[in-house]
Amino acid sequence: DADVTQTPRNRITKTGKRIMLECSQTKGHDRMYWYRQDPGLGLRLIYYSFDVKDINKGEISDGYSVSRQAQAKFSLSLESAIPNQTALYFCATSDPTGRSTGELFFGEGSRLTVL
Amino acid sequence: GENVEQHPSTLSVQEGDSAVIKCTYSDSASNYFPWYKQELGKRPQLIIDIRSNVGEKKDQRIAVTLNKTAKHFSLHITETQPEDSAVYFCAAYAGSGNTGKLIFGQGTTLQVKP
Repeated sequence: DADVTQTPRNRITKTGKRIMLECSQTKGHDRMYWYRQDPGLGLRLIYYSFDVKDINKGEISDGYSVSRQAQAKFSLSLESAIPNQTALYFCATSDPTGRSTGELFFGEGSRLTVL
Repeated sequence: GENVEQHPSTLSVQEGDSAVIKCTYSDSASNYFPWYKQELGKRPQLIIDIRSNVGEKKDQRIAVTLNKTAKHFSLHITETQPEDSAVYFCAAYAGSGNTGKLIFGQGTTLQVKP
């Protein structure tokens, strides 16, 4: 079954450490996204990419960077993690239809705790 | 940029009752409005969507209405069941053509009491 896979699923780290969250997909979609979920704040877009050579900032990109290594891989990095980056992170893909983004297919999420 | 406000943040109903969740958006150019359901510990999944050229869409017990003039849209769940308990997110597609992005509301936690 085509899917979106995130690693690691859970990570505890310390302030100042560099962290990378990885996302790979077998859906063959060009578009990939990183969202962050916090209680009461919903899903907030960090970065998105429409193809390998395209990277766009979302709503809350400060403190984060991304790399689109291939069509199927999109990584999120925290160069120097801080406690308020503790959250549940979701990768998603989509295959745009018409003039909209199309359905988003989410990974299972990566729970990050920064102490 | 686009801003999506969602209310209420929590909603508790008795099994069999109806539930309504409302969202407003700021960008009048937004043209696509999906709703996602996230069960406890699971990933969000699309349950229904509506485009700006349609005022209402229905799929079994769920329906979505859109008022473009007022820039708000709502999710209606009838005959609620315990398995409807989840977090629901509305979203609006902001941007032009196919280069925009999906902005989500804050989420509504729905509890259906048996």
